[in-house]
Amino acid sequence: TQLLEQSPQFLSIQEGENLTVYCNSSSVFSSLQWYRQEPGEGPVLLVTVVTGGEVKKLKRLTFQFGDARKDSSLHITAAQPGDTGLYLCAGRDDYKLSFGAGTTVTVRA
Amino acid sequence: GAVVSQHPSRVICKSGTSVKIECRSLDFQATTMFWYRQFPKKSLMLMATSNEGSKATYEQGVEKDKFLINHASLTLSTLTVTSAHPEDSSFYICSANNLESHEQFFGPGTRLTVL
Repeated sequence: TQLLEQSPQFLSIQEGENLTVYCNSSSVFSSLQWYRQEPGEGPVLLVTVVTGGEVKKLKRLTFQFGDARKDSSLHITAAQPGDTGLYLCAGRDDYKLSFGAGTTVTVRA
Repeated sequence: GAVVSQHPSRVICKSGTSVKIECRSLDFQATTMFWYRQFPKKSLMLMATSNEGSKATYEQGVEKDKFLINHASLTLSTLTVTSAHPEDSSFYICSANNLESHEQFFGPGTRLTVL
């Protein structure tokens, strides 16, 4: 199993601030997915990045995939309380996903 | 996005009983489904890969006889926790692989509590 490291583990910010979550690995992945999970629910897919250097925007969320396809970042602009949750990155190798440990984001009103 | 359902969402059982959890892909066919276990405030741990029409592939350290997996059709996989004990209490999540998009979609999870 390939390991993905996520940082920071916890993040607590005020509404309106920006935040960035990082996902790093020493291994190359064919694609990388970001999920958001709320307590008691399954993870919900936010985005899939496939191409090295790719940048995808989803409203206030910006996702980057590193040129070498080993790392990724998630940036949230002007965070809102609704962005609170556990953010998970997952690298795809063949058909399996390897998950990072997750970043718990809390946005205070 | 694709929809994956799980049933039941919550189950409480006595120690020693068996519990079956169903995972269904509602709007696409999935030859491969996955079963994960998640502890509080932790990430997902892959338990096994469920393959339609063949035996499941278990991750290291996961007991095959304890966690029985059956992938009877292209839209249904079941996980049976046999002779459950309190240490089996956890949040179990399944996912299904969409062959066309190569993305995994997750079910809402099943909270198992063994008394």
